[in-house]
Amino acid sequence: QKEVEQDPGPLSVPEGAIVSLNCTYSNSAFQYFMWYRQYSRKGPELLMYTYSSGNKEDGRFTAQVDKSSKYISLFIRDSQPSDSATYLCAMMDSSYKLIFGSGTRLLVRP
Amino acid sequence: DADVTQTPRNRITKTGKRIMLECSQTKGHDRMYWYRQDPGLGLRLIYYSFDVKDINKGEISDGYSVSRQAQAKFSLSLESAIPNQTALYFCATTASGTDTQYFGPGTRLTVL
Repeated sequence: QKEVEQDPGPLSVPEGAIVSLNCTYSNSAFQYFMWYRQYSRKGPELLMYTYSSGNKEDGRFTAQVDKSSKYISLFIRDSQPSDSATYLCAMMDSSYKLIFGSGTRLLVRP
Repeated sequence: DADVTQTPRNRITKTGKRIMLECSQTKGHDRMYWYRQDPGLGLRLIYYSFDVKDINKGEISDGYSVSRQAQAKFSLSLESAIPNQTALYFCATTASGTDTQYFGPGTRLTVL
């Protein structure tokens, strides 16, 4: 079993839709939770970062962590075609090594 | 200018050849990482280095070696390339005491 599970998609939504992306994990030692966005032919870039259970909001993006269920989510409101990318969840324990999910491909149709 | 650069960006080579991928960063970070990305498997850690004299194996280090020539440079070598090492390779950096990793643009390696 992988330490981090993520549905690969692809997920196709119309412009303006609310998008929900999710990951589950098995390692209770994970303390830091991140979402990276990766456009085609580019390296991943950090989108959201949190270390506690609850919600963190940044513009149209909300990251949610539920440590008791070992479940994290990324919500995108008013999705735009420019949001089309692969979204990778990533988690870190005290060793500062990132463990990534396999990524979910998102396509936002105009 | 990019903070993390990788060379080459694309490389096609043959089985058995030795290949070196190079990474340079101008962010002044002390920690550097090499990952490979395969479809459906996400990013997997190959090697990481927390400073010039520190080298650590990651999840999938077999068949790879690294060299930290300076704080700003971290190279990855495939001693004898094999086809299942065909992948996208990313270098990343982070400053000690922080958690944000900054990625380079990637090197697409094809081993025939």
